[in-house]
Amino acid sequence: QKEVEQDPGPLSVPEGAIVSLNCTYSNSAFQYFMWYRQYSRKGPELLMYTYSSGNKEDGRFTAQVDKSSKYISLFIRDSQPSDSATYLCAFPPGGGSYIPTFGRGTSLIVHP
Amino acid sequence: ETGVTQSPTHLIKTRGQQVTLRCSSQSGHNTVSWYQQALGQGPQFIFQYYREEENGRGNFPPRFSGLQFPNYSSELNVNALELDDSALYLCASSLEGPGNFNEQFFGPGTRLTVL
Repeated sequence: QKEVEQDPGPLSVPEGAIVSLNCTYSNSAFQYFMWYRQYSRKGPELLMYTYSSGNKEDGRFTAQVDKSSKYISLFIRDSQPSDSATYLCAFPPGGGSYIPTFGRGTSLIVHP
Repeated sequence: ETGVTQSPTHLIKTRGQQVTLRCSSQSGHNTVSWYQQALGQGPQFIFQYYREEENGRGNFPPRFSGLQFPNYSSELNVNALELDDSALYLCASSLEGPGNFNEQFFGPGTRLTVL
């Protein structure tokens, strides 16, 4: 079993749709949870960063963490064509280790 | 834009050659991490430098090496290139030391193709 599972997609949705992106993980030592957005030919940029279980909202984006199920989600409301990108979940290390773990990314296409 | 720059943008090498990739950190950042991102995969952590010392290394062989300079710019060197080294190489800079991945800013990457 991989440490992080993320469906690569592509996920194609119409403009205005609510998008749900998900990752599962197996390492119970993960305590912090992050989502990055990566446009084509660009480096990843941090979208959301959360520590605890529950929801965190930032504009059209909501990050949800369920530590008991080892499952994290990113919701995008009112999706726009400019949201078309690859979305990566990421898990900063803990317990003295400094090796972060990334999911493989989900490709999202929002069509007008 | 993050203020992190990388050069070159892309390059092509042949198996067995050596390559040096460069990264200029965002102003004031003293920590740099390097990642390898194969096509269709997430970034894989290579190593991190903090104040010119290697601080943490991922599962990469010794032919991957690095340097950080007093101005906090950085180099990634790869010797004896293999076909599987073809990837996007990303550097990311951050403030004040290891573990601060939430404050990490990525550069645009260098696309390396090994033939």
